[in-house]
Amino acid sequence: GDSVTQMEGPVTLSEEAFLTINCTYTATGYPSLFWYVQYPGEGLQLLLKATKADDKGSNKGFEATYRKETTSFHLEKGSVQVSDSAVYFCALTPNTGNQFYFGTGTSLTVIP
Amino acid sequence: KAGVTQTPRYLIKTRGQQVTLSCSPISGHRSVSWYQQTPGQGLQFLFEYFSETQRNKGNFPGRFSGRQFSNSRSEMNVSTLELGDSALYLCASSWRSGTGDEQYFGPGTRLTVT
Repeated sequence: GDSVTQMEGPVTLSEEAFLTINCTYTATGYPSLFWYVQYPGEGLQLLLKATKADDKGSNKGFEATYRKETTSFHLEKGSVQVSDSAVYFCALTPNTGNQFYFGTGTSLTVIP
Repeated sequence: KAGVTQTPRYLIKTRGQQVTLSCSPISGHRSVSWYQQTPGQGLQFLFEYFSETQRNKGNFPGRFSGRQFSNSRSEMNVSTLELGDSALYLCASSWRSGTGDEQYFGPGTRLTVT
């Protein structure tokens, strides 16, 4: 079945460091891929999305490219800030319904 | 435009009781999905409603049920509560269903079963 495998955390980085959170997926067909972020005590917020192979999603300095050949959608940011501290979830939907499959989440802490 | 709202935000119930959670989607959105989030199992899909019809259902027992009203508002009900039902229940809405659209999440209802 469809699934998402996400890099285990927690991840701790110093401010201005480079961030990569790995995400790979298993799906039949052509899913849409997403990164969501969850701040403490809140629901999930959409960070970025990509709907087809080679699409690059970007938002707030974060980027991820839909790589069909490697079934990956890794999240990157060139220079993290303390305010980026949160839990990040990779997700896919197979476009045959609205069921989303989420990774286990990666907790990021950025220290000044 | 107002976001997804969920009520109540916090709930404490006793084992064996039942509970009803409510979700109001973003105006114009017709699809509402429900998820259970726990530290051990992560985010798990419960079900999706679109135009008052259940379109998809996750792997949860029949104690978990839901419905959607003509104004797209949705409720989920859990009967005969168990300790393991303690979780954050998230509602998400989207304009369409089955088209790869992003879902917009509410803040969640934190259910504690004692």
